[in-house]
Amino acid sequence: EAGVTQFPSHSVIEKGQTVTLRCDPISGHDNLYWYRRVMGKEIKFLLHFVKESKQDESGMPNNRFLAERTGGTYSTLKVQPAELEDSGVYFCASSRSGINEQFFGPGTRLTVL
Amino acid sequence: ELKVEQNPLFLSMQEEKNYTIYCNYSTTSDRLYWYRQDPGKSLESLFVLLSNGAVKQEGRLMASLDTKARLSTLHITAAVHDLSATYFCAVDIAVKGSSNTGKLIFGQGTTLQVKP
Repeated sequence: EAGVTQFPSHSVIEKGQTVTLRCDPISGHDNLYWYRRVMGKEIKFLLHFVKESKQDESGMPNNRFLAERTGGTYSTLKVQPAELEDSGVYFCASSRSGINEQFFGPGTRLTVL
Repeated sequence: ELKVEQNPLFLSMQEEKNYTIYCNYSTTSDRLYWYRQDPGKSLESLFVLLSNGAVKQEGRLMASLDTKARLSTLHITAAVHDLSATYFCAVDIAVKGSSNTGKLIFGQGTTLQVKP
């Protein structure tokens, strides 16, 4: 069984530009999560999808962040326009319905210059 | 606001020694997870602890959960170099009995360095 995959692994952009991160969950996992780790800080929850619906987006920092999960498969997280403080590692995780264990992808390291 | 605190944040130890990483959390939860992360890699699930008094062991690692004390421990027995990594605990604040899994609140991570 393939694990959670994320693309790209690294992204370097300039302040004000737009970046889109992609996450492909494990096949059959209805739950999909986005987390972020800013340098030196703890990993923080951003949002949770159940299939294509946003279940909880309480961790999204502001309206520059837009997450979608069309069709309930892969998800994208767009940052527009990017700011310096958006730099960090963005993790995606997925889990089956009714099962608590979340499986994480390798993360996308975003650097905003 | 739920807080999860790990102690210590950095641990340098000799091989064959024993040590414990502590994870304290500030609100009621009966679901706690331990993850391992190697540099540049994904978080690997180590243990899922779902009830008070739960104890799980895998190789040289043993995790326990005391929900009354709001404390989990990760005990390392006879450390070896391969255990060098960053270890995270995470608390699930999902409502018990809910069919929807909850978001995880992570500790800061404990970086373990095992020296020969």
